[in-house]
Amino acid sequence: KNQVEQSPQSLIILEGKNCTLQCNYTVSPFSNLRWYKQDTGRGPVSLTIMTFSENTKSNGRYTATLDADTKQSSLHITASQLSDSASYICVVRSLGGGNKLTFGTGTQLKVEL
Amino acid sequence: DTAVSQTPKYLVTQMGNDKSIKCEQNLGHDTMYWYKQDSKKFLKIMFSYNNKELIINETVPNRFSPKSPDKAHLNLHINSLELGDSAVYFCASSQDQSSYEQYFGPGTRLTVT
Repeated sequence: KNQVEQSPQSLIILEGKNCTLQCNYTVSPFSNLRWYKQDTGRGPVSLTIMTFSENTKSNGRYTATLDADTKQSSLHITASQLSDSASYICVVRSLGGGNKLTFGTGTQLKVEL
Repeated sequence: DTAVSQTPKYLVTQMGNDKSIKCEQNLGHDTMYWYKQDSKKFLKIMFSYNNKELIINETVPNRFSPKSPDKAHLNLHINSLELGDSAVYFCASSQDQSSYEQYFGPGTRLTVT
């Protein structure tokens, strides 16, 4: 069964600090992995998309890593800001028709002063 | 200039009623989706349409009936609403079935009392 698990479930950090969110998946065959940011009351917005051959990809203060051998990904946030407070969702796409995605349950991040 | 829009944003209704949620995208995309996000923030795909044709139909009660009058619109009609239907429903679109990127609408929060 295709699954995506994220940890921690929730996280509170002080503004300016760094943090790392984890994603483990069992989706097979693997096509790509994305990290989404979902602000409260809004739809998810894509942060990064990583394919099988990519190990690291950055988008501003966000850096995603992918280890396709161990089926793990991480999202590192540098110098956190209050606006980073959101749910971060790991989404894995499997090869095959229909563009079917498997969503993780997300990590709820809160950045405080 | 909203890319993916949904109406209404909030919907409160009683059990047994029939209601519809509308979605429109102005991105020129071929593929549209409906997702359900439950109270635990878990996103699950319900339906996917490509050029007005149904391509994904997950195990969803037949009280839910999607309708795509044209490729820019995907509406969701729900008959005989139940308490368990309470959730946030997200519409999304992508360039085509194989596109990596999906763009989400702001969501419709449905509350069934």
